[in-house]
Amino acid sequence: SQTIHQWPATLVQPVGSPLSLECTVEGTSNPNLYWYRQAAGRGLQLLFYSVGIGQISSEVPQNLSASRPQDRQFILSSKKLLLSDSGFYLCAWSGSRWSYEQYFGPGTRLTVT
Amino acid sequence: DAKTTQPPSMDCAEGRAANLPCNHSTISGNEYVYWYRQIHSQGPQYIIHGLKNNETNEMASLIITEDRKSSTLILPHATLRDTAVYYCIVRPRVETSGSRLTFGEGTQLTVNP
Repeated sequence: SQTIHQWPATLVQPVGSPLSLECTVEGTSNPNLYWYRQAAGRGLQLLFYSVGIGQISSEVPQNLSASRPQDRQFILSSKKLLLSDSGFYLCAWSGSRWSYEQYFGPGTRLTVT
Repeated sequence: DAKTTQPPSMDCAEGRAANLPCNHSTISGNEYVYWYRQIHSQGPQYIIHGLKNNETNEMASLIITEDRKSSTLILPHATLRDTAVYYCIVRPRVETSGSRLTFGEGTQLTVNP
């Protein structure tokens, strides 16, 4: 069966510090991968998606970036965090056929202070 | 994308069936109804989806009206662990890159002992 991992689970970082969140998927190959952010009490915002190694599409211009160095690894990064980057970051994957059937990781709760 | 309307909250007694309604009167012919839920502080969880026939899996049943303008998600024997926000979304079941999930307000289901 497929599983998706995210780490760390929680993170407190000062403004201006760098960020690296990692997501890995097991049990499937060539997944579509997604990074979402959920602000407190609000819906999901798609940040990035990837349909293959090295292929990244950005949905919202911001100071975040994403990379996919391996088929089942998706990394979210920032060189300098802003207060507005605080939120719940979720990684998700979908199979090659039915993209709206997405499976989410446990999430990383980021607080920028 | 078709807009969906859900009640903001519902209560259900433990062990009873929870019936969560969703209106999607502007749904088009190629759009499917998807249901997700999000337990507090966890990532969203895919539940089920359907086009026009009723669907059932190990988690729930989905009943779609004949005119497809509304649907009901049924949790046959609700448990306390089913307390969550339930989201109904309507999207075409087409493989497209960057298939972003956007959740509305959803229904907060509270299962009471």
